[in-house]
Amino acid sequence: DGGITQSPKYLFRKEGQNVTLSCEQNLNHDAMYWYRQDPGQGLRLIYYSQIVNDFQKGDIAEGYSVSREKKESFPLTVTSAQKNPTAFYLCASSLPYRGNEQFFGPGTRLTVL
Amino acid sequence: QKEVEQNSGPLSVPEGAIASLNCTYSDRGSQSFFWYRQYSGKSPELIMSIYSNGDKEDGRFTAQLNKASQYVSLLIRDSQPSDSATYLCAVLSGGYNKLIFGAGTRLAVHP
Repeated sequence: DGGITQSPKYLFRKEGQNVTLSCEQNLNHDAMYWYRQDPGQGLRLIYYSQIVNDFQKGDIAEGYSVSREKKESFPLTVTSAQKNPTAFYLCASSLPYRGNEQFFGPGTRLTVL
Repeated sequence: QKEVEQNSGPLSVPEGAIASLNCTYSDRGSQSFFWYRQYSGKSPELIMSIYSNGDKEDGRFTAQLNKASQYVSLLIRDSQPSDSATYLCAVLSGGYNKLIFGAGTRLAVHP
């Protein structure tokens, strides 16, 4: 089955730790995205990548880093510089046509202890 | 800052009624518009895409777009309790190739 997987589903982080969230897709999509969702708010774009080995900052990139070494994978690292990382993190992917329809993975819920 | 505005709700409708969800956007250059459904604790699911003025129907869902008024709506006919969710409007920003999301409207369908 084609789709987007994210792991882990739940993640707990201590203050000062870096953590990496995994996102994998087998849809053969070129573009991948990371969003953050806080309670009662819309999705905010963290980083996006249109092709392998290239990525751009979104609206709230500070305290986050990404890599895109393979078309299928777009991991997100939440660094200790991110002051308020507790949130629901969503990965999405899309084809460059079809108006940029984006499809989401199941999400990772990160909690800072 | 490009914006997408939605009424947060909750919008409460009886089972079998038509639910009408509305969205306005600020970027006149936007060309692609999307509706996502998000159940509590789950990720968004794409339910409708619309690219040109007018109506687009898919089953019980109808998306309506009016670019002159910068307005997008989603109608859900014969609403069911299983339609109870938050509906997110998303607009592809014309100059930036990025989706801008509204905060969502919570829909509650009661039996």
